[in-house]
Amino acid sequence: EAGVTQFPSHSVIEKGQTVTLRCDPISGHDNLYWYRRVMGKEIKFLLHFVKESKQDESGMPNNRFLAERTGGTYSTLKVQPAELEDSGVYFCASSQDRGNTEAFFGQGTRLTVV
Amino acid sequence: DQQVKQNSPSLSVQEGRISILNCDYTNSMFDYFLWYKKYPAEGPTFLISISSIKDKNEDGRFTVFLNKSAKHLSLHIVPSQPGDSAVYFCAASDFGTDKLIFGTGTRLQVFP
Repeated sequence: EAGVTQFPSHSVIEKGQTVTLRCDPISGHDNLYWYRRVMGKEIKFLLHFVKESKQDESGMPNNRFLAERTGGTYSTLKVQPAELEDSGVYFCASSQDRGNTEAFFGQGTRLTVV
Repeated sequence: DQQVKQNSPSLSVQEGRISILNCDYTNSMFDYFLWYKKYPAEGPTFLISISSIKDKNEDGRFTVFLNKSAKHLSLHIVPSQPGDSAVYFCAASDFGTDKLIFGTGTRLQVFP
């Protein structure tokens, strides 16, 4: 069974450009999460989908970030326009059940904004 | 304000000895705690968890201890193996939310 897949694995863009990250969760997992780790700091929650609905987006930094999960399958996270402080590793995770069960993480997308 | 703290950024342990990784939290509403292990260029992988109704959970070489009064948990790895060398993240959540609050991680190095 395939795990959580993210691409690209690495993206370097200039400030002001747009980048779209993609996450394919484990098949059958209704719950999908986005997290971000800025260098050396904690992994921070961004948002949580249940199927195609945003359950919790309290961690989204600002309106330059847009997450979608059309059809309840894969998800995209768009940053437009990117700023220097958006650099970091973006992790996607999925889980089958809600409520304090361990989530399976993808390998992450390292975003560098220059 | 960081709600989950891992105050030791790194730890070095000899193979065969015990590794003890510590984690403190501030939010008394947290009722579920997890440890994740992360290798370079990979995502975190779930290691072990504990509910707040317990004070100990064991899985093979890994044991997590929870001290609710002190708001402290620890991960014990015994015996430590070179393959355990990784960054370990402590995470917490409270019932009713699904988001995990992570610490900054502790880099464990197990040397021969």
